[in-house]
Amino acid sequence: DGGITQSPKYLFRKEGQNVTLSCEQNLNHDAMYWYRQDPGQGLRLIYYSQIVNDFQKGDIAEGYSVSREKKESFPLTVTSAQKNPTAFYLCASSISSPGAYNEQFFGPGTRLTVL
Amino acid sequence: AQSVAQPEDQVNVAEGNPLTVKCTYSVSGNPYLFWYVQYPNRGLQFLLKYITGDNLVKGSYGFEAEFNKSQTSFHLKKPSALVSDSALYFCAVRESGSARQLTFGSGTQLTVLP
Repeated sequence: DGGITQSPKYLFRKEGQNVTLSCEQNLNHDAMYWYRQDPGQGLRLIYYSQIVNDFQKGDIAEGYSVSREKKESFPLTVTSAQKNPTAFYLCASSISSPGAYNEQFFGPGTRLTVL
Repeated sequence: AQSVAQPEDQVNVAEGNPLTVKCTYSVSGNPYLFWYVQYPNRGLQFLLKYITGDNLVKGSYGFEAEFNKSQTSFHLKKPSALVSDSALYFCAVRESGSARQLTFGSGTQLTVLP
């Protein structure tokens, strides 16, 4: 099956800890994205990558970091600098093209809770 | 700048009745418009998109949306609602030729009552 996988499904973090969320895709997509979803606020873009070894900050990058060493993988690290990390995190991918009108495919999400 | 608004947090409709979920957008140039659906504790699923051409776009699961440039709207519609259509619906916009990424609305919770 082609698609996007995210792990773990649920993650609990103590204050002051860094945690890494996994995102893997086998769709052969060049572009990958990380979003944060909070109730009533829709999705907000954290980071995105249009090609391996390159990524850009989104609207709410502070307190987060990413890497893109492989086309298939785009892990997100939530650092201790992120003041309110409890949220639902969604990873997505898409065909990257100059027209930029391609739809994004989403993973099932990771729910992060800070204890 | 680009933005999108979903003016209704909640829409209730009876099964079998037509449904409409509203979306308005703001971009400087031409828009690319998308609708996604999210079921509880799941990722988003793509429903349909408008790029150019025919203003009426047909998508998955019997949904359609009408692009109205003069009203800057892209309302999602379905002629006959099913209970299984109950979910959270997101409208999203991206300006053609812009370096900005997709901007999502805040979502509309659709409940179809049996």
